Amino acid sequence: EPEVTQTPSHQVTQMGQEVILRCVPISNHLYFYWYRQILGQKVEFLVSFYNNEISEKSEIFDDQFSVERPDGSNFTLKIRSTKLEDSAMYFCASREDRGQYNEQFFGPGTRLTVL
Amino acid sequence: SQQGEEDPQALSIQEGENATMNCSYKTSINNLQWYRQNSGRGLVHLILIRSNEREKHSGRLRVTLDTSKKSSSLLITASRAADTASYFCATFANAGKSTFGDGTTLTVKP
Repeated sequence: EPEVTQTPSHQVTQMGQEVILRCVPISNHLYFYWYRQILGQKVEFLVSFYNNEISEKSEIFDDQFSVERPDGSNFTLKIRSTKLEDSAMYFCASREDRGQYNEQFFGPGTRLTVL
Repeated sequence: SQQGEEDPQALSIQEGENATMNCSYKTSINNLQWYRQNSGRGLVHLILIRSNEREKHSGRLRVTLDTSKKSSSLLITASRAADTASYFCATFANAGKSTFGDGTTLTVKP
């Protein structure tokens, strides 16, 4: 069964450093998403991406964040200058299309620890 | 209140008992999904129920959806210790993103 994959599974970085989280969505999917979950809290939407551009972003997704689909398979989330509060689990998700009943498929997540 | 709120926040039961979790939401939806998450791990998709469906079953799981009350319930029958986890509902609407609730933490005692 096709699945969304994410790398790395765990990333440790120093405050102020840049990190890139990588995702490979399911191959025929058109909509891509990033969510984050701070430990002990609920999953929060960050950004959605379609047709090579951001379709929606939340208040959390400020100028330090950016997303990119550098090739036909990868979907990346870049955090330019990490802060302690960026420590969280980051989930990538993809959907086949915007159809009313289509499911979002989530990746296993990348745990980001900012020291 | 926020879109996708679960109750109770925490539920503790004995193995073999049934566990019921509820989710309420505010706006119209296209579908609603339930996920399980073990501590510090990824999201495991359990069931998707469409807005035109009222009930769905998958193994020991039963999900209901009442769009008039904007609520859903997840029933786990004959619970096992391995069912211990956090359970989240996530609503999906025309906005194109999922909105998650705060989750219910289920503890099943052996």
